[in-house]
Amino acid sequence: GEDVEQSLFLSVREGDSSVINCTYTDSSSTYLYWYKQEPGAGLQLLTYIFSNMDMKQDQRLTVLLNKKDKHLSLRIADTQTGDSAIYFCAEIHHNTDKLIFGTGTRLQVFP
Amino acid sequence: GAVVSQHPSRVICKSGTSVKIECRSLDFQATTMFWYRQFPKQSLMLMATSNEGSKATYEQGVEKDKFLINHASLTLSTLTVTSAHPEDSSFYICSAREDPGNTEAFFGQGTRLTVV
Repeated sequence: GEDVEQSLFLSVREGDSSVINCTYTDSSSTYLYWYKQEPGAGLQLLTYIFSNMDMKQDQRLTVLLNKKDKHLSLRIADTQTGDSAIYFCAEIHHNTDKLIFGTGTRLQVFP
Repeated sequence: GAVVSQHPSRVICKSGTSVKIECRSLDFQATTMFWYRQFPKQSLMLMATSNEGSKATYEQGVEKDKFLINHASLTLSTLTVTSAHPEDSSFYICSAREDPGNTEAFFGQGTRLTVV
């Protein structure tokens, strides 16, 4: 199947860390992505990780990849109110080259 | 990053009419463009993949005659919703990729279609 699953909601206090989780199904996915969508807007690529990596850090963002469990996570350090948005993980299917999105996680940051 | 412009950002149309949505890559040549549909509070569903100069490949369950996709040039793809009905109301987003080997697809800002 092509299901990519995420938890629907996450609520954190400003300044805390946020961890958004994602499970995917295609073990042959070459790249895995995290996108951010603000209300009524398109998608902004936050970061991506190649499948032969375990971790990637980019400023406040840390991506962890567990290929054995097909689990991907995005950690946002020092979460700010401007980080409130929907976050989508996505995978590229090796055979079809299509970008398949997860269900999205709505992150709410409160003061 | 590269810029993809999608137009219009919002459109309201009457049932039975057709609506055209444009997706343009502004500073790169997009060999492949994707069209997604997003229902409220849901994820993006891939509708079709279009390659410049060839027919679009539609996902299962997407009506080809209803959602006409044209990718006539390396910088422009259009999605036409024909004979629109209220159930076609949705948020449509395009994305463009420079070539199949590229890791990144750039997204347009989306079009909110409301059919009344």
